[in-house]
Amino acid sequence: NAGVTQTPKFQVLKTGQSMTLQCAQDMNHNSMYWYRQDPGMGLRLIYYSASEGTTDKGEVPNGYNVSRLNKREFSLRLESAAPSQTSVYFCASSSRQVTGELFFGEGSRLTVL
Amino acid sequence: DAKTTQPNSMESNEEEPVHLPCNHSTISGTDYIHWYRQLPSQGPEYVIHGLTSNVNNRMASLAIAEDRKSSTLILHRATLRDAAVYYCILRATDSWGKFQFGAGTQVVVTP
Repeated sequence: NAGVTQTPKFQVLKTGQSMTLQCAQDMNHNSMYWYRQDPGMGLRLIYYSASEGTTDKGEVPNGYNVSRLNKREFSLRLESAAPSQTSVYFCASSSRQVTGELFFGEGSRLTVL
Repeated sequence: DAKTTQPNSMESNEEEPVHLPCNHSTISGTDYIHWYRQLPSQGPEYVIHGLTSNVNNRMASLAIAEDRKSSTLILHRATLRDAAVYYCILRATDSWGKFQFGAGTQVVVTP
């Protein structure tokens, strides 16, 4: 019963390095999301994908790119990591409807030195 | 986007009810009210949602004011496992993908 799977769970980067966070869901959901959560703060939406083939910016998209590879997978890329991007990143998925429940992954903890 | 206002924190004794308020005075007629909670070191999990009528499920009850400008999440008997951050979120029918969390309410449950 996997649900939403994120990889890697932990990553340490140096400033300027790039990396991709992977997310996959096995619930046949149309919509997927990427959030970041800084210490002691709520979640902030980075990007979301309402359906396969579409992506839209959330509250804090600067410094990130996303790819909706197929219905199952939604990746988040940091092209040139900065210390301000140190955070815990959560991927989520839901059905494509206003009442759809979001299912979250366990999170990926990223530290940028 | 319609915003929500929640208290920063609330305390409760174990096995007592907890009433978590949420103000959303700019809610539109088609906005759904969602509640999620986040246990320590975990991703958020769904609790309940509603539109106009009060709702009950195995986790909690949601009481929605008649004018829909506020709502209350009710945990009927708090347990230590209910200690979490609770988020009240509005989800608009025409922009449902922009599911945005606020700061939430930290619930502390004491034995």
